[in-house]
Amino acid sequence: ETGVTQSPTHLIKTRGQQVTLRCSSQSGHNTVSWYQQALGQGPQFIFQYYREEENGRGNFPPRFSGLQFPNYSSELNVNALELDDSALYLCASSQGTANYGYTFGSGTRLTVV
Amino acid sequence: AQSVSQHNHHVILSEAASLELGCNYSYGGTVNLFWYVQYPGQHLQLLLKYFSGDPLVKGIKGFEAEFIKSKFSFNLRKPSVQWSDTAEYFCAVPEGNTPLVFGKGTRLSVIA
Repeated sequence: ETGVTQSPTHLIKTRGQQVTLRCSSQSGHNTVSWYQQALGQGPQFIFQYYREEENGRGNFPPRFSGLQFPNYSSELNVNALELDDSALYLCASSQGTANYGYTFGSGTRLTVV
Repeated sequence: AQSVSQHNHHVILSEAASLELGCNYSYGGTVNLFWYVQYPGQHLQLLLKYFSGDPLVKGIKGFEAEFIKSKFSFNLRKPSVQWSDTAEYFCAVPEGNTPLVFGKGTRLSVIA
């Protein structure tokens, strides 16, 4: 059973640019959620996708958007990057939305300069 | 909205010392509670979870946690820590459409 893989592992972007982060869910999982973990903080929920539809969103502006594909992999897109977007972005997959068997990826470290 | 408080930001212990990390959540009702661990350079891993039943929950690697409803608490314990327990520990609770609301985490450093 493969785990959750995220790419890239590290990324440096300039303020105002756009970025796409990718996540491959664990085999058999159809739900993907994304989190932002700023330095010294706990992960904060961005949004969740279930069967290609967004079905939950945290307190993040619309410039944070996402997609889930038929194979249940997912993308997180962030437009008009700001310095405060610098963080570790985590992806977690699960089987369904009420099953708490989340598997986390190792994250993408985004630095905005 | 649900919030999770972890009051210990950084804990430093000697090997074989006992560990207790505090976790409080903001309101009751039916709660599911989790502790996750993040070892240096690794992904978040589930240590243990509470859904219902016995309030004393046993997890992996000798960790346990006790759910005390009257105190809105779910503290993590381990009788004797090892150097390999050095990690960041997060308490979390689901709320509505939010799969997990995390606390800020407690960094545990175990020294020889």
